[in-house]
Amino acid sequence: AAGVIQSPRHLIKEKRETATLKCYPIPRHDTVYWYQQGPGQDPQFLISFYEKMQSDKGSIPDRFSAQQFSDYHSELNMSSLELGDSALYFCASQTRGNSPLHFGNGTRLTVT
Amino acid sequence: AQSVTQLGSHVSVSEGALVLLRCNYSSSVPPYLFWYVQYPNQGLQLLLKYTTGATLVKGINGFEAEFKKSETSFHLTKPSAHMSDAAEYFCAVYFTGGTSYGKLTFGQGTILTVHP
Repeated sequence: AAGVIQSPRHLIKEKRETATLKCYPIPRHDTVYWYQQGPGQDPQFLISFYEKMQSDKGSIPDRFSAQQFSDYHSELNMSSLELGDSALYFCASQTRGNSPLHFGNGTRLTVT
Repeated sequence: AQSVTQLGSHVSVSEGALVLLRCNYSSSVPPYLFWYVQYPNQGLQLLLKYTTGATLVKGINGFEAEFKKSETSFHLTKPSAHMSDAAEYFCAVYFTGGTSYGKLTFGQGTILTVHP
């Protein structure tokens, strides 16, 4: 079965650079979530989209932005990267409602 | 306030022993409950979920969990641990009302170690 696809798997950037993370949800899933998981931390909700519109916002820095495109894939754009942005970034998708989230394998971002 | 708490950041068991990972939530509205497992350098994989109906739910890899409304708990169990069960386990709660409505909130995670 198709799963949530994230790219790239690993990304190394320097401070003050920008990064773009991509997420391709499971077909027919209309909702996408982004989570950030710092080293040894539980996943923290960043932002979500439903039918290409932002539906909720969590602890996402102003330096980050995201959008969901017409094909339902989503991109998380991160600017002015800081060392503290080093983390595993997960994308998850679902059909809106009580269906469980299905997670991608994440993008590991390292900021040096 | 709505919250989810996993008791014990590390649990260690012997192979073949019972696995018990604890999860409690705080909410005035019954939530939807999930357990996810995360293997090293991998994404989160759904083990099982409770939304409505039977309070004892069975998941993959022999795990099961029981929703106890009176105790606001959703503990994860497996009768006999296997070496391959070593991973980090997250309890997650989808609040169906209140200030945290609509977001999947994770517990702090429990790292399960299985000894031979």
